[in-house]
Amino acid sequence: QVQLLESGPGLVKPSETLSLTCTVSGYSITSGYFWGWIRQPPGKGLDWIATISYSGRTYYNPSLKSRVSISVDTSKNQFSLNLKSATAADTAVYYCARDLVGTSPPVPFDNWGQGTKVTVST
Amino acid sequence: SYVLTQPPSLSVAPAMTANITCGGDDIGSESVHWYQQKPGQAPVLVISYDDGRPSGIPERFSGSNSGNTATLTISRVEAGDEADYYCQVWDGASDHVVFGGGTKLTVL
Repeated sequence: QVQLLESGPGLVKPSETLSLTCTVSGYSITSGYFWGWIRQPPGKGLDWIATISYSGRTYYNPSLKSRVSISVDTSKNQFSLNLKSATAADTAVYYCARDLVGTSPPVPFDNWGQGTKVTVST
Repeated sequence: SYVLTQPPSLSVAPAMTANITCGGDDIGSESVHWYQQKPGQAPVLVISYDDGRPSGIPERFSGSNSGNTATLTISRVEAGDEADYYCQVWDGASDHVVFGGGTKLTVL
């Protein structure tokens, strides 16, 4: 049974880079599937950020593309998110997730982490 | 970019049927996925590819998709079904994920 666990700072200062890691257990990232990040601002809906395939192909939300990068660390079986120039609008619960089938298109997500809350504030 | 429109809220009495809609331009040509999210929890996939039910999801949950509207149907609604529900598609024209704004289901 695959499990995903998000980690990273709970507090980020404005203009700094928000960096999060998703540690995957029970499955090797390089074996297949697509791996994504989704966020949810307080009291609001789900907002997809980015997805990466096991082979390294990336997909980004157009509204965030200029500030976001997603990558895989195969040695640690992790994938990561970097969001540059953070603002208060980036305050949210951030989820990592894996898709259901492992073939394109990279949806739906059927395995989710528990989420990690990130606040952007001084 | 592709837009999915959901009603913000829906109220249903126990044992009745809830129909949660998701509107989009020719959405019937897309594969629609539905998620349930309870307060403080991660979303759970309840319907995949318009009408597929992942393992562990009760038969009371079903989906349909035609024309400009996809629908998540919850039969014999229970108090435990009270949650936010989100539809989702893959926008193949621009290679990105689209979520609807979500519908808060209240069980009266």
